Amino acid sequence: AQSVSQHNHHVILSEAASLELGCNYSYGGTVNLFWYVQYPGQHLQLLLKYFSGDPLVKGIKGFEAEFIKSKFSFNLRKPSVQWSDTAEYFCAVSPNSGYSTLTFGKGTMLLVSP
Amino acid sequence: NAGVTQTPKFRVLKTGQSMTLLCAQDMNHEYMYWYRQDPGMGLRLIHYSVGEGTTAKGEVPDGYNVSRLKKQNFLLGLESAAPSQTSVYFCASRTSGGFNEQYFGPGTRLTVT
Repeated sequence: AQSVSQHNHHVILSEAASLELGCNYSYGGTVNLFWYVQYPGQHLQLLLKYFSGDPLVKGIKGFEAEFIKSKFSFNLRKPSVQWSDTAEYFCAVSPNSGYSTLTFGKGTMLLVSP
Repeated sequence: NAGVTQTPKFRVLKTGQSMTLLCAQDMNHEYMYWYRQDPGMGLRLIHYSVGEGTTAKGEVPDGYNVSRLKKQNFLLGLESAAPSQTSVYFCASRTSGGFNEQYFGPGTRLTVT
């Protein structure tokens, strides 16, 4: 079975600071990778996804993530955060097969101070 | 398109009571999922369904039952609620093809006293 580890449970940044949230997974085969965001009181929304091809993927709101296969990592980055990026961020992995399920990390709570 | 909707949004139960959470999707998705979200635990899969009339257990199925009588609906039942089932419950759905990109509902906050 697959598993996901997110390095930080809480991150506090000032506006305009750069962001990098770590995510590592364990699974021996081909995977699909996701970052979801949950704004306070809201449901999960997809930020970005990796299925194949270019390991650097760009998502909404200026976020990007890089898949490094050799490190089993899929870290999320943003060059300059805004107060509105305050949210919880979840990394998720799914084996690339028919009935596969998503496994989520425990989440990273990002607080951006104005 | 309403996407994925959940009913109710909030509920308070006493220990031992039963209830059913309803998830509905209007995207003609084959697969549907129920998760629970607890602080510091992320989302954990309770049950899922890969089609009408089929269900399967996820990571934390104990104390829950599900039914998928219609393609667009996925019901989650608690027969005898326990305080440990206090959580936020999310439903999700996706197409059978594609790469497991799931679409989430707004959640149901359940408190069991």
